[in-house]
Amino acid sequence: EAGVTQFPSHSVIEKGQTVTLRCDPISGHDNLYWYRRVMGKEIKFLLHFVKESKQDESGMPNNRFLAERTGGTYSTLKVQPAELEDSGVYFCASSRLGTGWETQYFGPGTRLLVL
Amino acid sequence: DQQVKQNSPSLSVQEGRISILNCDYTNSMFDYFLWYKKYPAEGPTFLISISSIKDKNEDGRFTVFLNKSAKHLSLHIVPSQPGDSAVYFCAASATGGSQGNLIFGKGTKLSVKP
Repeated sequence: EAGVTQFPSHSVIEKGQTVTLRCDPISGHDNLYWYRRVMGKEIKFLLHFVKESKQDESGMPNNRFLAERTGGTYSTLKVQPAELEDSGVYFCASSRLGTGWETQYFGPGTRLLVL
Repeated sequence: DQQVKQNSPSLSVQEGRISILNCDYTNSMFDYFLWYKKYPAEGPTFLISISSIKDKNEDGRFTVFLNKSAKHLSLHIVPSQPGDSAVYFCAASATGGSQGNLIFGKGTKLSVKP
């Protein structure tokens, strides 16, 4: 079974530009999460999709960030316009939709550097 | 304010000995706790978890202990192997019986020396 995949693995952009990150969850996983780790800090939750619906977007830092999951399969996270403080590693995770706790499996991350 | 704290940024252990990684939390609503292992340039890999209704969970060389009164959990690795060298993240969730997002600590870098 393929794991969570993320594209691109790295992205270097200039302040003010737009970047779109993509996440493909494990097949059959209806829960999809985005997390971010800024240099030297902890991994922080951004938002949670259940299928195509946003279940919890309390971690989104501001309206420059837009996440979508059309069709309930892959998800994209767009940053527009990018700022210096957006630099970090963006992780996607997915899990099954069950009646209790389901383990979240993480992708390798996208390393974003905003210059 | 950090809800999940890993106060030791690093730990060095000799191969074959026990590694003990510690984690403290402040939110009494957390009801599920997990440990993830992370190698450089990779995503966190799930290691072991424990529900708040238990105080111990064991999986091979890995055991997680939960002390709810102290709001403390620990991960024991016995025996430690060089391949265990990685950053270990403690994470918690307030699920309320359903799926929830994870709150992570800053991680502890474990080095296991041959």
